[in-house]
Amino acid sequence: QSALTQPASVSGSPGQSITISCTGTSSDVGGYNYVSWYQQHPGKAPKLMIYDVTKRPSGVSNRFSGSRSGNTASLTISGFQAEDEADYYCSSYTSSSTWVFGGGTKLTVL
Amino acid sequence: QVQLVQSGAEVKKPGASVKVSCKASGYTFTGYYMHWVRQAPGQGLEWMGRINPNSGGTNYPQKFQGRVTMTRDTSISTAYMELSSLRSDDTAVYYCARDGELGPYYLDYWGQGTLVTVSS
Repeated sequence: QSALTQPASVSGSPGQSITISCTGTSSDVGGYNYVSWYQQHPGKAPKLMIYDVTKRPSGVSNRFSGSRSGNTASLTISGFQAEDEADYYCSSYTSSSTWVFGGGTKLTVL
Repeated sequence: QVQLVQSGAEVKKPGASVKVSCKASGYTFTGYYMHWVRQAPGQGLEWMGRINPNSGGTNYPQKFQGRVTMTRDTSISTAYMELSSLRSDDTAVYYCARDGELGPYYLDYWGQGTLVTVSS
């Protein structure tokens, strides 16, 4: 199972809207409503930000939202803040009854 | 509150095995699958498999089949991940993570991570 494809880095200015893409196949991202997104700050464990493509866990800011079109899922951060600077990973359930992660995207403030 | 507390850092020689533990508290241990995910230095996350703490059933991706063994001890609410035939590229932080509260397709609680270093 190949890793999902994410841009290696994305940058933005405070207040801007930022989108990170995650491309897979019809055997994972496009085939199931089971895409999740994780935020990871340096030296910390990942934190769940979005699950089941569009759902947001309680306690996660409503500035974070998820969507999907075909085999590509997206995480959008509206009103980008400095505290959002981190690595972001997408993940999907697959047709092999396994899970696969994206390669990760480093989000930085301009 | 849900907590997953992992065992401490390990240093192993190539060819050896390592066993990492993950003690769960704050929820019914047998009610949620436990997954294991690793992260090599400066690299991304990699799913290693999961265990059903109730039945002991496991599923592993092909990459790790034959080399990883996940077990549990329900009497102490602890899951274990053992990786054998260690190589230098197994050097990574290993995380345990629990199935989601509202469904089994995401990970909502993570352990603090255990650094495993493989070096001669």
